[in-house]
Amino acid sequence: EVQLLESGGGLAQPGGSLRLSCAASGFSFSSCAMSWVRQAPGKGLEWVSAISGSDDTTYYADSVKGRFTISRDNSKNTLYLQMNSLRAEDTAVYYCAKRGTGGHFDYWGQGILVIVSS
Amino acid sequence: EIVLTQSPATLSLSPGERATLSCRASQSVSSYLAWYQQKPGQAPRLLIYDASYRATGIPARFSGSGSGTDFTLTISSLEPEDFAVYYCQQRSNWPLVYTFGQGTKLEIK
Repeated sequence: EVQLLESGGGLAQPGGSLRLSCAASGFSFSSCAMSWVRQAPGKGLEWVSAISGSDDTTYYADSVKGRFTISRDNSKNTLYLQMNSLRAEDTAVYYCAKRGTGGHFDYWGQGILVIVSS
Repeated sequence: EIVLTQSPATLSLSPGERATLSCRASQSVSSYLAWYQQKPGQAPRLLIYDASYRATGIPARFSGSGSGTDFTLTISSLEPEDFAVYYCQQRSNWPLVYTFGQGTKLEIK
């Protein structure tokens, strides 16, 4: 059974940092592309970042480029999102998601809440 | 950047009725068009991928169709558990970007 479990969320001050983790199990993590997707309170879904399964190539939405860094540790089956220079508009539930064979996300974590506020 | 526009924003129907949800892309997309269902307090769940393929475990009452810029999610006969928010999503390759529509809320009439 595929499982994705996020951790590391919470309250951060504007300009501060947080690191999210996503522990994966039930599939061959090292060969799968992964993403982070967020959802602001009462809003829709927004893709944040992706990392390939093969060569660790990374991709970012313009809204987070230069502030967020996605990475993975295949020895620990864990995906990370380092979030720096946080802004109020980064407040959201953050989901890690496994990419399917095409351009979709076939499995999602339960989500972790990040609140950026002074 | 490709924009996905979903309509209607809200759809009010009764159990047993047929639901038709639309997703229109600002330019032609590849076959990478997916649909998700999200219930309050839950993560999204993949329903349809590559425009018309049902994900594992998804009931046959859910179907997807379309190509190019116009896509449709159809629920043939609504069950009480189908009332939720539905999102479409596409992937662009150059640059790699994933885009979601703004969602359609399917509510009980």
